[in-house]
Amino acid sequence: NAGVMQNPRHLVRRRGQEARLRCSPMKGHSHVYWYRQLPEEGLKFMVYLQKENIIDESGMPKERFSAEFPKEGPSILRIQQVVRGDSAAYFCASSFRQGNSYNEQFFGPGTRLTVL
Amino acid sequence: AQSVAQPEDQVNVAEGNPLTVKCTYSVSGNPYLFWYVQYPNRGLQFLLKYITGDNLVKGSYGFEAEFNKSQTSFHLKKPSALVSDSALYFCAVRDQIKAAGNKLTFGGGTRVLVKP
Repeated sequence: NAGVMQNPRHLVRRRGQEARLRCSPMKGHSHVYWYRQLPEEGLKFMVYLQKENIIDESGMPKERFSAEFPKEGPSILRIQQVVRGDSAAYFCASSFRQGNSYNEQFFGPGTRLTVL
Repeated sequence: AQSVAQPEDQVNVAEGNPLTVKCTYSVSGNPYLFWYVQYPNRGLQFLLKYITGDNLVKGSYGFEAEFNKSQTSFHLKKPSALVSDSALYFCAVRDQIKAAGNKLTFGGGTRVLVKP
């Protein structure tokens, strides 16, 4: 059973360009989470999605950032008009259905974004 | 609001000696608690979790953690550290109350260095 897949692993963009980060959850997982890790810091929650729905986007910057998890295909984190401060590692995690119990989140290898 | 504190940026220990990584948390309700480990340029690997039940939780690679409700702590322990345990360790919490959502809040991380 393949784990959480993220691509690309490394992404270099110039200021003002767009960055698209992809995440394929583990098989059978319908919940996807995006986190950002700045150098030498912990992970900060950005957004939580289920298929075709954004459940919690309380950690997303108000501008330039968006996320989707379509019915078919991977989840996409999109950053428009990138700035140097967007340089970070972006991690995707997935979990099984929630129901009344909690299931741990499994993390992908991350995408390291560098903005020149 | 939920928060996590890892008071030590780095822990140094000799191989074969006991290893402890400290974590304290704050939540409105009862906590779900997690430990993850991150190796250089890799994603987070799940080590163990506390949901309910026994206060001593056993996890992967010989690690265990003790939940202490009165001290709001969840310290990670290993009786005999290995050089290969050198990595970055993150404690994370999620409040069990439904209004908190599913997002994890991470501590800032503790770098563990095990010397031969």
